[in-house]
Amino acid sequence: DGGITQSPKYLFRKEGQNVTLSCEQNLNHDAMYWYRQDPGQGLRLIYYSQIVNDFQKGDIAEGYSVSREKKESFPLTVTSAQKNPTAFYLCASSLRTSSYNEQFFGPGTRLTVL
Amino acid sequence: GDSVTQMEGPVTLSEEAFLTINCTYTATGYPSLFWYVQYPGEGLQLLLKATKADDKGSNKGFEATYRKETTSFHLEKGSVQVSDSAVYFCALRGRTGNTPLVFGKGTRLSVIA
Repeated sequence: DGGITQSPKYLFRKEGQNVTLSCEQNLNHDAMYWYRQDPGQGLRLIYYSQIVNDFQKGDIAEGYSVSREKKESFPLTVTSAQKNPTAFYLCASSLRTSSYNEQFFGPGTRLTVL
Repeated sequence: GDSVTQMEGPVTLSEEAFLTINCTYTATGYPSLFWYVQYPGEGLQLLLKATKADDKGSNKGFEATYRKETTSFHLEKGSVQVSDSAVYFCALRGRTGNTPLVFGKGTRLSVIA
């Protein structure tokens, strides 16, 4: 079954620690994205990547970092510089070639910083 | 820049009622338009899409028509069920480049039996 995997589903960390969220896709998609969702809020774009070894900042990149060393993987690191990291994080992917193409989403990771 | 505005919720309906969730957009050129649904604690799922003016997207009894003249893509369903309770997001993808989707803020729908 093709799809997007995010792990873990729930993650707890102490304040001041960096934490890395995993996102893997086997859809052979070129582009991958990270969004943050706060309770009762919409989605805010953190970073996106259209090809391997390249990525762009989204609307709220401060305090986050990413890498794109493989087409299938786009891990997100939440650093200690992120002032309010507790949120629901969603990874997505899409074909890059056309605006007709929708984004496919993973199941999300809920991060709680204690 | 591109933007999407959708009606604020929450929307509460009785089972079998008619549903409309309004969505309007601002974009350069003619974007593709999407509706996504999010059930509690889950990621987003594509509900339907339309890629050009006057196209109608439909799925699971939901419909939306791409109206260029009113820059709108309203979501409708003739008879909602309790299982339709979720958050619905309208989104667009511009034609000007390989850009991420731009989302509205979402509308929470609650259907009561």
